[in-house]
Amino acid sequence: QKEVEQNSGPLSVPEGAIASLNCTYSDRVSQSFFWYRQYSGKSPELIMSIYSNGDKEDGRFTAQLNKASQYVSLLIRDSQPSDSATYLCAVAFSGTASKLTFGTGTRLQVTL
Amino acid sequence: SAVISQKPSRDICQRGTSLTIQCQVDSQVTMMFWYRQQPGQSLTLIATANQGSEATYESGFVIDKFPISRPNLTFSTLTVSNMSPEDSSIYLCSVVQGAGFGQETQYFGPGTRLLVL
Repeated sequence: QKEVEQNSGPLSVPEGAIASLNCTYSDRVSQSFFWYRQYSGKSPELIMSIYSNGDKEDGRFTAQLNKASQYVSLLIRDSQPSDSATYLCAVAFSGTASKLTFGTGTRLQVTL
Repeated sequence: SAVISQKPSRDICQRGTSLTIQCQVDSQVTMMFWYRQQPGQSLTLIATANQGSEATYESGFVIDKFPISRPNLTFSTLTVSNMSPEDSSIYLCSVVQGAGFGQETQYFGPGTRLLVL
């Protein structure tokens, strides 16, 4: 069974620090990876997508992918209290964004 | 990105009844999906809503329990039938925009919060 694993947290970081969120997946042939942010009581919001090994940066967010290690991470620089949310890692095992398998999510708390 | 709306936003239902959830998109999309998010858990794909044909269900989900309609490229419904308290969840529809590897992104509607008593 294809799985996506995340540490459930909570991960607590002080304001201004770097938050590092990690995700591992079970299927070596997966090609599409996504990070969603979900505030309590809200639906998931897409933050980043990554398809190739290496880093992809978008503002304060950097996604890192290592297919050999089956590992994808999300770095949030200069963390803000508004970043406090649950971050969901999603993997498209079929190779497209059409069918996503989600991890259980990591709850991030940014403290003042 | 597509603007997705769902109705109702929340409901409280009695066990044994059925609820139909509507999902409306502001543009035509090929791929639409229905997910469930049980309390404190992550998202689980229920089915792919296929336009003009029967939905494709994931393991553990059946048409009799979760009938789905997709009459056109902007609208779909999910019915939760013969409800029990275990069906209390958030139900989300999603759509995929873009085409081709590296171009597709999946967006979620606001969700329908269902409580079954």
